[in-house]
Amino acid sequence: DSGVTQTPKHLITATGQRVTLRCSPRSGDLSVYWYQQSLDQGLQFLIHYYNGEERAKGNILERFSAQQFPDLHSELNLSSLELGDSALYFCASSPRSTGRVRINEQFFGPGTRLTVL
Amino acid sequence: GQQVMQIPQYQHVQEGEDFTTYCNSSTTLSNIQWYKQRPGGHPVFLIQLVKSGEVKKQKRLTFQFGEAKKNSSLHITATQTTDVGTYFCADIIDRGSTLGRLYFGRGTQLTVWP
Repeated sequence: DSGVTQTPKHLITATGQRVTLRCSPRSGDLSVYWYQQSLDQGLQFLIHYYNGEERAKGNILERFSAQQFPDLHSELNLSSLELGDSALYFCASSPRSTGRVRINEQFFGPGTRLTVL
Repeated sequence: GQQVMQIPQYQHVQEGEDFTTYCNSSTTLSNIQWYKQRPGGHPVFLIQLVKSGEVKKQKRLTFQFGEAKKNSSLHITATQTTDVGTYFCADIIDRGSTLGRLYFGRGTQLTVWP
């Protein structure tokens, strides 16, 4: 158990719909990352939030958006869903960098499996 | 963007055999992290390499970072069935506006036959 929680575990919806995926980082971690994992694209970085602010964007579609709330939990909103959006969505958290070590390991949650029919 | 190529895509070994996966990039990598994902699971951090030529060991696992920081490898000695999973390398950006962003390789899926 990484300490990162994600809900729901599974989500089945139809094309054109909108869904929200939720992530709670490990206690004390300020950074939250979102990833999409699919068979054809592998593990793709979507977006990074640090203490409520967006820090970096990756291959995130305009139909997708995210935010991190004051309590540090994060939500990933996916709208106008298409069949190709079916994938496993992971959230990961990372502690604040301290000292000379600027990079820290990321702790992944169990993921949300999204199926778009 | 960054491209991290990982080979082989699949590897099937008999228990007790060695296994190696390679991670290559045409550009200099910032830092390398290695993750393992068990079937049906999520990626789990194994190690981070930062320095050119760095070698780190974790029991039967040996991680190397190339002298030019353009490649890395993970070698498992005498594989066990518990080693089954997909091993990913990831280039993690350590500066600038994309600090903390990971570029993952496609992974090497390891199967170990008992």
